[in-house]
Amino acid sequence: GAGVSQTPSNKVTEKGKYVELRCDPISGHTALYWYRQSLGQGPEFLIYFQGTGAADDSGLPNDRFFAVRPEGSVSTLKIQRTERGDSAVYLCASSLSGATDTQYFGPGTRLTVL
Amino acid sequence: QKEVEQNSGPLSVPEGAIASLNCTYSDRGSQSFFWYRQYSGKSPELIMSIYSNGDKEDGRFTAQLNKASQYVSLLIRDSQPSDSATYLCAASGAGSYQLTFGKGTKLSVIP
Repeated sequence: GAGVSQTPSNKVTEKGKYVELRCDPISGHTALYWYRQSLGQGPEFLIYFQGTGAADDSGLPNDRFFAVRPEGSVSTLKIQRTERGDSAVYLCASSLSGATDTQYFGPGTRLTVL
Repeated sequence: QKEVEQNSGPLSVPEGAIASLNCTYSDRGSQSFFWYRQYSGKSPELIMSIYSNGDKEDGRFTAQLNKASQYVSLLIRDSQPSDSATYLCAASGAGSYQLTFGKGTKLSVIP
């Protein structure tokens, strides 16, 4: 079946602009995660959804970052007033339910803030 | 702060040799451990998970966990050039969904 998909694959924006990154999880997976990976680093947890609700948003770096999953499937990560330090690959993952279930990662969105 | 530490490498091994990748973690409450492989420019792909002390084998891969020493390792037997990638170690706590990753170890298998 189809894996996790993310759009766009690349996004270049200017400092101060607003961006939206989209994730479409594996069908039937109730758990969805967002991670951010900077060059030479491992992925860093941002937020976890179980169904429609954000069960843990403790990894969001500040209030410029926000994510939604209104129907319990597709999720959108929103970044306001982008800064150059936001440049990274944003990875989405999904798992069947949560906890110890395997997290399957999407291809990521490479965000570049000029 | 929960940390997962890995030697960043690069680790170079000849084709056919055993590659040994190591990882330590700081949170004694960690219960689940994962090894992901990440090819350059690609997303992480799970290759092994381990939850209890001891060894777990899957084909050419063996994961080893020692909770007393807070140490996880991955052995790759009969290494192939296609194994050349960055290997990420990750840990999560009891009932937790949040993975804490190390920086990854870059492995190069030389033909």
